[in-house]
Amino acid sequence: QVQLQESGPGLVKPSQTLSLTCTVSGGSISSGGYYWTWIRQHPGKGLEWIGFIYYSGSTYYNPSLKSRVTISVDTSKNQFSLKLNSVTAADTAVYYCARDNPDLQRLFDYWGQGTLVTVSS
Amino acid sequence: SYELTQAPSVSVSPGQTASITCSGDKLGDKFACWYQQKPGQSPVLVIYQDNMRPSGISERFSGSNSGNTATLTISGTQAMDEADYYCQAWDSDTAVFGGGTKLTVL
Repeated sequence: QVQLQESGPGLVKPSQTLSLTCTVSGGSISSGGYYWTWIRQHPGKGLEWIGFIYYSGSTYYNPSLKSRVTISVDTSKNQFSLKLNSVTAADTAVYYCARDNPDLQRLFDYWGQGTLVTVSS
Repeated sequence: SYELTQAPSVSVSPGQTASITCSGDKLGDKFACWYQQKPGQSPVLVIYQDNMRPSGISERFSGSNSGNTATLTISGTQAMDEADYYCQAWDSDTAVFGGGTKLTVL
């Protein structure tokens, strides 16, 4: 059973960089076949896809966030990470990591529990 | 950018059938997924490829997708089905979610 767990600071100051890590267990990122994804949910709102990374390091980002987002992977630790720079209060959200499975149709079949990140001074 | 539109809320009586719709330009030409999210929990996939159920999802959940509208149908709705439901599709390698529909079982 694949499990994903987000970790990182719950509070970030405006204009700084939000950094989160997702640790994957029960499966190896380096085995390929999946896209490792970040999704966020503003308080009381819907889901927003941020982007994904493949084990090789290839990435694709939501055009609306592309200028501020970097997703990286560390296959030796079976982790992938999100950096979002120049944050504002509008970036306050629950951040989820998830596995994008393209086997039949691209879908998100495993999710982390989510971590709330608040942007505030 | 591509948009998916859902009604904010739907109410249903226990045992009745709930229908939740998702609209988008030529959505029927894409595959639609549906996710269920209960308060304080992560989303769970309930329908993929328009009408397929992942293992472990009740047969009461079904889906369809044609034209500009995808529909999630929950038959014999139970109190445990009360949740937010999000449709999702892909457009040019970008995942797009609908705004979500809160299903209330009265």
